[in-house]
Amino acid sequence: GQNIDQPTEMTATEGAIVQINCTYQTSGFNGLFWYQQHAGEAPTFLSYNVLDGLEEKGRFSSFLSRSKGYSYLLLKELQMKDSASYLCAVLDSNYQLIWGAGTKLIIKP
Amino acid sequence: ETGVTQTPRHLVMGMTNKKSLKCEQHLGHNAMYWYKQSAKKPLELMFVYSLEERVENNSVPSRFSPECPNSSHLFLHLHTLQPEDSALYLCASSLVQGDYNEQFFGPGTRLTVL
Repeated sequence: GQNIDQPTEMTATEGAIVQINCTYQTSGFNGLFWYQQHAGEAPTFLSYNVLDGLEEKGRFSSFLSRSKGYSYLLLKELQMKDSASYLCAVLDSNYQLIWGAGTKLIIKP
Repeated sequence: ETGVTQTPRHLVMGMTNKKSLKCEQHLGHNAMYWYKQSAKKPLELMFVYSLEERVENNSVPSRFSPECPNSSHLFLHLHTLQPEDSALYLCASSLVQGDYNEQFFGPGTRLTVL
């Protein structure tokens, strides 16, 4: 079967750095997405990786290793507004999105 | 209005009621999706429409009935629901279906079935 694993919850301190991991086992691979979802709001797109390596976008970076079936989202200089759930999703060989259950990130002052 | 909108934002219904959820996208997209989001579970894809034709129905019970009258509007008709159907129902759209384009989500309808 297809599977996306990410931690259920993480806690970090304002101003610090946090890394949210995602591992996947899917039928084929056509890219990996990260979305952010604040409580009671719509998921919003953060990043898309299809090639190995690190992509940086401001305070957020996303890394992909296709051979390891692994990605992470790196958040730097954490702010209170970064408290949210972070969803990992893989586009499989049929171009269907397979979603992880999300990681709830709690930022403490 | 911009983006993807959904109404109502909250809905409480009895098991014998019939109600409909509405989604509208103002992005000129050709694909629209219904998802179910339950606490601590992955998003479950329910239905996919591409150019107003249904292309995906992931074994969803018949008490959920989608309708896509045009590329901007999507409905989810609900009847004889069960308490386990209580969840957040999200609508999304993308430029085309079945490729790497990001999906844009609406804020969701929080459904409670009594």
